[in-house]
Amino acid sequence: GNSVTQMEGPVTLSEEAFLTINCTYTATGYPSLFWYVQYPGEGLQLLLKATKADDKGSNKGFEATYRKETTSFHLEKGSVQVSDSAVYFCALSDDPNYGGATNKLIFGTGTLLAVQP
Amino acid sequence: DARVTQTPRDKVTEMGQEVTMRCQPILGHNTVFWYRQTMMQGLELLAYFRNRAPLDDSGMPKDRFSAEMPDATLATLKIQPSEPRDSAVYFCASGAPTSGSDEQFFGPGTRLTVL
Repeated sequence: GNSVTQMEGPVTLSEEAFLTINCTYTATGYPSLFWYVQYPGEGLQLLLKATKADDKGSNKGFEATYRKETTSFHLEKGSVQVSDSAVYFCALSDDPNYGGATNKLIFGTGTLLAVQP
Repeated sequence: DARVTQTPRDKVTEMGQEVTMRCQPILGHNTVFWYRQTMMQGLELLAYFRNRAPLDDSGMPKDRFSAEMPDATLATLKIQPSEPRDSAVYFCASGAPTSGSDEQFFGPGTRLTVL
């Protein structure tokens, strides 16, 4: 079945450091890929998404590129801030062109990012 | 600013009591999801609805949990009787996949503590 694997945390960085959080997936067809962020005490919110191969999603300085050949969607940011401290979830949705697609999101286990001043 | 709302935000109850959590999806969204989040298990999908009909509740313990959508503006998740292992944060999310978007919009969650 479809699944998402993301790097375990916590990831601890100093302010202005470069961030990479790895995410790989297993899926049939061409799912949409997402990064969600959860700040302390809040629900998840969409950070960025990509719907087809080679698409790059970007938002708030974060980027991720949909790599079909490596089945990856790694999250990157060039210079993190203390305010980026949160849990980051990689997710995929079923490809609506395949029979039985549900439009559910399948989430990874989440990666805690802690940015120190 | 359209948002998913959930009530209560916090609930402390004793083992054996009934717990009801409520969710108001974003107006116009026809798909509603219930998730449970714990440190040990992470984020688990309990059930989801489309156009108020349950599509999948395989993630939910059937003997004590029930989920319903009495109308398009209200989704409920009930636990009866509650147990300490049900302590978790319960999130509701809504979406509109028929509009071409897979995005789910999450509520702020209900933090449940069962003593």
